[in-house]
Amino acid sequence: EVQLVESGGGLVQPGGSLRLSCAASGFTLSDHYMDWVRQAPGKGLEWVGRTRNKAHSYTTEYAASVKGRFSISRDDSKNSLYLQMNSLKSEDTAVYYCVRGHNGFDIWGQGTMVTVSS
Amino acid sequence: DIQMTQSPSSLSASVGDRVTITCRASQGIRNSLTWFQQKPGKVPKSVIYDASSLQSGVPSKFSGSGSGTDFTLTISSLQPEDFATYYCQQYDRHPFTFGGGTKVEIK
Repeated sequence: EVQLVESGGGLVQPGGSLRLSCAASGFTLSDHYMDWVRQAPGKGLEWVGRTRNKAHSYTTEYAASVKGRFSISRDDSKNSLYLQMNSLKSEDTAVYYCVRGHNGFDIWGQGTMVTVSS
Repeated sequence: DIQMTQSPSSLSASVGDRVTITCRASQGIRNSLTWFQQKPGKVPKSVIYDASSLQSGVPSKFSGSGSGTDFTLTISSLQPEDFATYYCQQYDRHPFTFGGGTKVEIK
């Protein structure tokens, strides 16, 4: 079964850091573009960033709201994707989804909640 | 950034109704558009990609059309399980952007 499972969310103080993980199963991560999308409580969806596949050198793109603070990486030996979040702000509070960028955005993880608050 | 404008923001419909939701891009995006369905407290689910291709496992009552700047999602015969919020998203150019959502409610 093709599946994505996120972990690593939690409560963090403003200015702090957090690393989210996304474990992929049922497909080879290195073959695919992967994205992070977030959703603040009661709000719509916001694209966070993308990492291209191995054939495209794993290059990355980011939304302006997170550029310079967030970084996407992957460990293909573990079939895992990561989102390193630094200098967190209250407006980063959201559910973060790991998404496969195939046929649009075809597979979504269950999401992990990040709360930035003092 | 490309702005995605959905209309209406909400609608009330009855079981069996045909429902159409529109999405307009501020610039041409070819056919790089996808539609998601999201139920309360649940993960978004892809229903249409490349503007008109049905995602695997999605019933054929869902259809999408359009190219360039104007797109539509149609549900041919609304069923109770279709009541949800629907979002469009463009993936032609970074940053990828979403519409504000259309909430489909029971009349």
